[in-house]
Amino acid sequence: LAKTTQPISMDSYEGQEVNITCSHNNIATNDYITWYQQFPSQGPRFIIQGYKTKVTNEVASLFIPADRKSSTLSLPRVSLSDTAVYYCLVDTGRRALTFGSGTRLQVQP
Amino acid sequence: DAGVIQSPRHEVTEMGQEVTLRCKPISGHDYLFWYRQTMMRGLELLIYFNNNVPIDDSGMPEDRFSAKMPNASFSTLKIQPSEPRDSAVYFCASSFSSSIPGNTIYFGEGSWLTVV
Repeated sequence: LAKTTQPISMDSYEGQEVNITCSHNNIATNDYITWYQQFPSQGPRFIIQGYKTKVTNEVASLFIPADRKSSTLSLPRVSLSDTAVYYCLVDTGRRALTFGSGTRLQVQP
Repeated sequence: DAGVIQSPRHEVTEMGQEVTLRCKPISGHDYLFWYRQTMMRGLELLIYFNNNVPIDDSGMPEDRFSAKMPNASFSTLKIQPSEPRDSAVYFCASSFSSSIPGNTIYFGEGSWLTVV
């Protein structure tokens, strides 16, 4: 099972770009990298998923280098409402996902 | 779609009482998950079902916990008897097996349980 390591917390200011890096050294060939976001008092919500290179959607971008041993979630121009916990997960194809501790992002005005 | 629906949203109960948490997954989803979240242990998978059949219950803490899925649109998580250490947020989630390429799990808003 590929273990993930990400910073416990990060601080940012409104309007800044935030990059959260996750390491997953033991990722397997068929595994996907997935990020979830959890706001206080809510369940986690899927943000983005990728296999390699770069994926972008309306919420974030995900950068994955060629060796796939790490990934970076990029949030452009964060606002106060982006304050949340961000989880990096490796999707092994087993239907149930294992969540780590996540990164607590605090956005200041 | 209304999303995953859980009830009750909040429950306060006394130690020793039976607690039943309910979940309605998203229509058409064939996987259902129960997670528990606490400050100390984070988000833990308790059990999950595929087509109403339990697949992995290795995360269920002990015999006081049981989960059922009598049909595709309903599941329960029961704690009997409840203890203060069971206080947590219990999330139900569902997903669709044919989601490609990866697996997106949709979570409910959680049931906040306090056992006093």
